[in-house]
Amino acid sequence: GAGVSQSPSNKVTEKGKDVELRCDPISGHTALYWYRQSLGQGLEFLIYFQGNSAPDKSGLPSDRFSAERTGGSVSTLTIQRTQQEDSAVYLCASSPLLVRTQYFGPGTRLLVL
Amino acid sequence: EDKVVQSPLSLVVHEGDTVTLNCSYEVTNFRSLLWYKQEKKAPTFLFMLTSSGIEKKSGRLSSILDKKELFSILNITATQTGDSAVYLCAGIANAGGTSYGKLTFGQGTILTVHP
Repeated sequence: GAGVSQSPSNKVTEKGKDVELRCDPISGHTALYWYRQSLGQGLEFLIYFQGNSAPDKSGLPSDRFSAERTGGSVSTLTIQRTQQEDSAVYLCASSPLLVRTQYFGPGTRLLVL
Repeated sequence: EDKVVQSPLSLVVHEGDTVTLNCSYEVTNFRSLLWYKQEKKAPTFLFMLTSSGIEKKSGRLSSILDKKELFSILNITATQTGDSAVYLCAGIANAGGTSYGKLTFGQGTILTVHP
């Protein structure tokens, strides 16, 4: 079946603008995760959803970052007033209930000029 | 704070060589360790190791976990140019009976295999 999909694949924006990144998890996967990977760095956890609720938002770096998930499926990560340090690849992953293996999407490469 | 450290950070070998990638972890309430291969953007799942001392194998790749010494290794035998990638390991903690498991990633090992 289809894997995790993300859009856009690349996004270039100007400092101070808002951006929305979208993730479509694998159908039926109840858990959804957002990670960020800066140049030369490992993956950094941002937020986790179980269904539509986000029990762990501990990784969001500032209040400019928010995420929501609707219908237990699609999730949107919003970054307000983008800064240059927000430039990174944003990866989304999903996993089925009670299975801890996470399957990753191709990511969105964000560049803030 | 949970921490995962990989070594070496980069490795250059020739086709046919065997490589060993290392991963040490400090994860509170540790449950499992996962290995991923990242070629462009999306990490692809390789192994999940939960039990100590049991080798998991897939073709030329194998991995084992030592929960006493808190490390794992990933071996690749008879390397090919297609093995060139970043190899990531991640620790995952228990969280009750749910599927929740925040992955704490290492910084990755960049493997380059020359023909």
